[in-house]
Amino acid sequence: DGGITQSPKYLFRKEGQNVTLSCEQNLNHDAMYWYRQDPGQGLRLIYYSQIVNDFQKGDIAEGYSVSREKKESFPLTVTSAQKNPTAFYLCASSPTNPTNEKLFFGSGTQLSVL
Amino acid sequence: GENVGLHLPTLSVQEGDNSIINCAYSNSASDYFIWYKQESGKGPQFIIDIRSNMDKRQGQRVTVLLNKTVKHLSLQIAATQPGDSAVYFCAERGGNNRLAFGKGNQVVVIP
Repeated sequence: DGGITQSPKYLFRKEGQNVTLSCEQNLNHDAMYWYRQDPGQGLRLIYYSQIVNDFQKGDIAEGYSVSREKKESFPLTVTSAQKNPTAFYLCASSPTNPTNEKLFFGSGTQLSVL
Repeated sequence: GENVGLHLPTLSVQEGDNSIINCAYSNSASDYFIWYKQESGKGPQFIIDIRSNMDKRQGQRVTVLLNKTVKHLSLQIAATQPGDSAVYFCAERGGNNRLAFGKGNQVVVIP
């Protein structure tokens, strides 16, 4: 059953804590993305990666970090520097060529601050 | 994720009627457009896409229309069903080759 798996579905963060959101895909897609969704807002790009061991900042990268050690995996760490982390986080993937077309999304992780 | 539809424009449609969801885009250089459906607490689901060299594309029960003159995109859903209730949003791919997403429209299907 091909697709994108995000975990956990719900995550709670304490003050000063770093948390990591998992994203795994078995679609053999080269490109992967992390978006943040706030109520009533459009998706905003945090980070993206077009190939293993390479990634670029999106529009709101401050307070976040990523890694791309494997093609299938693109974890996102929300660091303590992110002062407003409460949001719905969406991971997506797409074929590299062409880029940024027909993104397939995971089911999301809702992050809340305790 | 639970409140993705908060404060969004809402379209109420009777079951069986056709729905039209509109999207105004900002970049006249955008070359690709895509529509997604998002149900509460879930990730967006691809519906249909269109390139700027086309003005119409049809899928199963859905049609996307592109009017580049007025920078307008619309999604038509035929014979709307209760399962079509969701937030629908469009995205455009602009000069920086990134997708820019709209805020979305809430569609409520009345049985």
